[in-house]
Parts: sequence; structure tokens; C-alpha cells
Amino acid sequence: NAGVTQTPKFRILKIGQSMTLQCAQDMNHNYMYWYRQDPGMGLKLIYYSVGAGITDKGEVPNGYNVSRSTTEDFPLRLELAAPSQTSVYFCASTQGLYNTEAFFGQGTRLTVV
Amino acid sequence: QKEVEQNSGPLSVPEGAIASLNCTYSDRVSQSFFWYRQYSGKSPELIMSIYSNGDKEDGRFTAQLNKASQYVSLLIRDSQPSDSATYLCAVNKGSQGNLIFGKGTKLSVKP
Repeated sequence: NAGVTQTPKFRILKIGQSMTLQCAQDMNHNYMYWYRQDPGMGLKLIYYSVGAGITDKGEVPNGYNVSRSTTEDFPLRLELAAPSQTSVYFCASTQGLYNTEAFFGQGTRLTVV
Repeated sequence: QKEVEQNSGPLSVPEGAIASLNCTYSDRVSQSFFWYRQYSGKSPELIMSIYSNGDKEDGRFTAQLNKASQYVSLLIRDSQPSDSATYLCAVNKGSQGNLIFGKGTKLSVKP
């Protein structure tokens, strides 16, 4: 089972550039999430989706956009990258709303210079 | 008050000792509580989940939940060097269904 797959694993961006972080899951999970993790910190929720066509903001959505056209894919778009977006990004999915385990991708380490 | 709070540590215990990790949360409607372990440079992995008051044991791990005090804890018995990692407490935030994480407690088990 592939589970949750994120690409790329590493990326260096210049200030002002844009990019899309890809996330795909093959578990038929309705709920998907994007988190960022700064050094020594926990995970902060950027955006989440409760199903295809439905997305909502989390704690730190500024500078990011998402879309959910299919159940499997939940890409995260960075427009006009800034040094403050240097972080490790994790995509996750859950089967249900409450009592379910979150499955994480392997993470994307992004550096903006 | 932050939604999910943990002592950032580091918490250092000798091999074979009991490690005690604590977490408090602010949203009383929270229904699901999780402990994730994260090794350096890796993604979080679930080690325990708990949904009702009391204790839940799984091998060397025991999760404790007290909803009245809004408190969750994780006990690791017979700690091993391989338990050295950051432990993240996560709380399901009511009807929105999203997980809110604490900053994590870094545990170091010394041989």
C-alpha cells in the first residue's frame, strides 16, 4: 500500500517563485490535511478538505491555496514564496471525522532563499 | 491559552525507567485524543488513541484521559533508547474534524 504520497521531498525556491506540493492518497479517505512544521515546533494546520470540491482554512492559510478536484489528490499551491514559508510540509488523510488515525506522507522540506 | 499544550522538554530518563508525557487542551467539545511519535526528519506515526475517560494500555504504552480536567497523558514503561523521539499530542477539534497538534515533547532515553 502506498498510503499518502508527497512530492517533491526537497525543494529550494527563490523569493517570489511559485510551486505546487503534490499529495495523493490511495486509501479512499475523504478527509485530507496540509500541515507545516517549523523547527522544534508542532504541526500547524494550513488547509483541510472534507471531500472532493470542499476545502477550508486552518490556522495558517495565508500565502497558500488548495484545491480538491478528486478524492485522491490534494495539492498545495504556494504563490510568491517568502522566507517565512521555509518549513517542512506534511500532507495527511483520515478515514472518518473523529475516531480515526491520521496517515502522513513523508514530508516536503522547502527552503525559500 | 493555546489549544493544545505540552511541555517541550527535553525530558531525559534512564533506560528502564517510566517516561511520563503530559498534554492539556482547551476545547471542551474535543472527542478524540492521539499520541504520535516523530523521529527526527521523519513523519509522525500514531502510537496511541483514546476516546473515553480512564486508562488505555498497549504494550509498554498507557494513555490516560481526564476530560473534566482536559488532560491527556502518555506513560512509557521500561523506556528504551529507541523510544527517544518527539511525542506529539493531537486533539480532534469538535465538528470540524481536524486534528490540532501540540508542539511536542522531546524525549531522550539514556542507556
